[in-house]
Amino acid sequence: AQKVTQAQTEISVVEKEDVTLDCVYETRDTTYYLFWYKQPPSGELVFLIRRNSFDEQNEISGRYSWNFQKSTSSFNFTITASQVVDSAVYFCALSEASEYGNKLVFGAGTILRVKS
Amino acid sequence: GAVVSQHPSWVICKSGTSVKIECRSLDFQATTMFWYRQFPKQSLMLMATSNEGSKATYEQGVEKDKFLINHASLTLSTLTVTSAHPEDSSFYICSAGRGLAGGLAYEQYFGPGTRLTVT
Repeated sequence: AQKVTQAQTEISVVEKEDVTLDCVYETRDTTYYLFWYKQPPSGELVFLIRRNSFDEQNEISGRYSWNFQKSTSSFNFTITASQVVDSAVYFCALSEASEYGNKLVFGAGTILRVKS
Repeated sequence: GAVVSQHPSWVICKSGTSVKIECRSLDFQATTMFWYRQFPKQSLMLMATSNEGSKATYEQGVEKDKFLINHASLTLSTLTVTSAHPEDSSFYICSAGRGLAGGLAYEQYFGPGTRLTVT
C-alpha cells in the first residue's frame, strides 16, 4: 500500500530563514503523482504543486522550490526567506490509482510556525 | 476555473440528528468526488469515493450506513451523517476530480470544508 511520511511534526523558524519540509513516500506503482498542499488556519486546502513520477526536474516558484528524487523516494519542499504568512500546516500527498480514479494518500502534515 | 463549494461551512447539531453536507463543482463536471474527514491536528483521511450514478466506495472502517453518500449529478455530491454523535464532530472536506491530460490521474479540487460539531 502507498504511504507518505512527513517526519517533521512541527518546525519553528524566524522570519527570513529558509526552511525545508521533508516528504518520503512508498509506492509500487511506476506511474504516480506527488502533491504538496498548504492548509492555513481557515482550513481550506491550497494546492501548491503536482509532480508526476516521470519528471524529476526540480521546480521553483517564487520563494518555493521542490526537490524530487526517485532514488530516495523523496519530494522535499523548501521555502526561501520565510514569512509569517507561510505559517500553516503543509501536507505532502501521493496519488494512488484505484478503480474509480486516483485516491490521494496524505502524510501526517508538518506544522510550520514562522515568527517575526 | 475548477471551483468547488461546500455547504454549509459549519454546522452544529444535537446528538441523534442527521446532517447533510453538499459538495458542488461550480465550473466543471466531476464524475468522481471524494469525501475526507480531518480530526483536529490530524491529517486528511479518505472516507469514500463517490461516482455519479453509482454507489459510493467506502474505505475500510467507514460505516456506509452512517455516512450516506449520494452523487446524483455530475456537479453535486452529498454526505449525510445519520444519527450523529459527538465523536462524529470533525472537519469534512470534499474534493471533485477532473481527469488530467493523458488520463493518468485525476486532479482533485478541494472544497473549503465543513466543520461539524455534534453536541
